[in-house]
Amino acid sequence: AQKVTQAQTEISVVEKEDVTLDCVYETRDTTYYLFWYKQPPSGELVFLIRRNSFDEQNEISGRYSWNFQKSTSSFNFTITASQVVDSAVYFCALGHGSGNTGKLIFGQGTTLQVKP
Amino acid sequence: NAGVTQTPKFRILKIGQSMTLQCTQDMNHNYMYWYRQDPGMGLKLIYYSVGAGITDKGEVPNGYNVSRSTTEDFPLRLELAAPSQTSVYFCATDRAANYGYTFGSGTRLTVV
Repeated sequence: AQKVTQAQTEISVVEKEDVTLDCVYETRDTTYYLFWYKQPPSGELVFLIRRNSFDEQNEISGRYSWNFQKSTSSFNFTITASQVVDSAVYFCALGHGSGNTGKLIFGQGTTLQVKP
Repeated sequence: NAGVTQTPKFRILKIGQSMTLQCTQDMNHNYMYWYRQDPGMGLKLIYYSVGAGITDKGEVPNGYNVSRSTTEDFPLRLELAAPSQTSVYFCATDRAANYGYTFGSGTRLTVV
């Protein structure tokens, strides 16, 4: 069975602190995809990143970085020098590599509050 | 370019009533999905479609129905609404499987 666990329900930091959001996944697939989505207080869901199981290179996009480690089944998300605008719920998700359906299993989400 | 449009944004239903949540996209994406979001539970897949005329159940399909007669539209039908269907509903599309979803703005539904 596939599963995504985001053990941190809520995190609170002060602006400019670095923060890491954890994501641990379970799957028996050899080919799979991992995603992060952001849900700001306005409620919409925004795609941040996609990774396939064959690409373990870390990704950096501005203040955002992602660390994919197959050995620990983790796909963690770090925000460097956090800002108030980073306050949101962040979801990690897992997709099958087979079947060509694009269905995702989402984690429960981590609520990040960045205080000024 | 509207992207993914969901209507209505808010709705209150009485127990036993029915309604259709609309989802329309103008991106020519074949893949479309309906998820529900309950507090602290993440998103759960209700139904999905990989192209016009093709639909399939997701993780939590009971009490819902869908159709996909065109590429653009993927309506979600609630029959005999129950309080357990109180939730926020999101429609999503993708240009291919596992490429990255584009979500609609959501429909907040309350069943009383």
